[in-house]
Amino acid sequence: GIQVEQSPPDLILQEGANSTLRCNFSDSVNNLQWFHQNPWGQLINLFYIPSGTKQNGRLSATTVATERYSLLYISSSQTTDSGVYFCAVDQGGSEKLVFGKGMKLTVNP
Amino acid sequence: DAGVIQSPRHEVTEMGQEVTLRCKPISGHDYLFWYRQTMMRGLELLIYFNNNVPIDDSGMPEDRFSAKMPNASFSTLKIQPSEPRDSAVYFCASTEGQGRDYGQFFGPGTRLTVL
Repeated sequence: GIQVEQSPPDLILQEGANSTLRCNFSDSVNNLQWFHQNPWGQLINLFYIPSGTKQNGRLSATTVATERYSLLYISSSQTTDSGVYFCAVDQGGSEKLVFGKGMKLTVNP
Repeated sequence: DAGVIQSPRHEVTEMGQEVTLRCKPISGHDYLFWYRQTMMRGLELLIYFNNNVPIDDSGMPEDRFSAKMPNASFSTLKIQPSEPRDSAVYFCASTEGQGRDYGQFFGPGTRLTVL
């Protein structure tokens, strides 16, 4: 099945810093999503981005489908950005999402 | 909309007992998914429904697990009998059909502990 790799696995930042999270996937996809799992365990849908670029406030995401990767940018990070960020993809038109292992972000005040 | 609703939020039970988890998807969404999250295996899809019909249950770990969706606004995931290795957080998610632009939305999860 499709493989999803996220990097870096962990990241510690000071408040106000910027960061880039990367997601590589091993096959073509119809769906790619970025999620944030906050410290309370809630999974929050950040972006649905099978291709192109989207922005939502301090967060933006870019997917280059032909090169099989996606990037999540966090600018001016805040302590509330802490948590685990997941990339998830489907494969071949199926609605099944395959999740990466996640990237733990810690933003210190 | 209130989002995806799951109940209970926490469940503690003893090995061998039956456990039923419940989910109400977002109104108008015709896909419903059940996931399990553990430290060892991460987030795994167990089963998903389209228009109340199970489409893919290949992720259901064994016969002790079953899921139903009797109508568009309700689904259950049942474990009978439960075992300690079933301890995990179980998420329900929903999404609209083709043509959407926003992907899957997750409920708050049910944290299951089997003693």
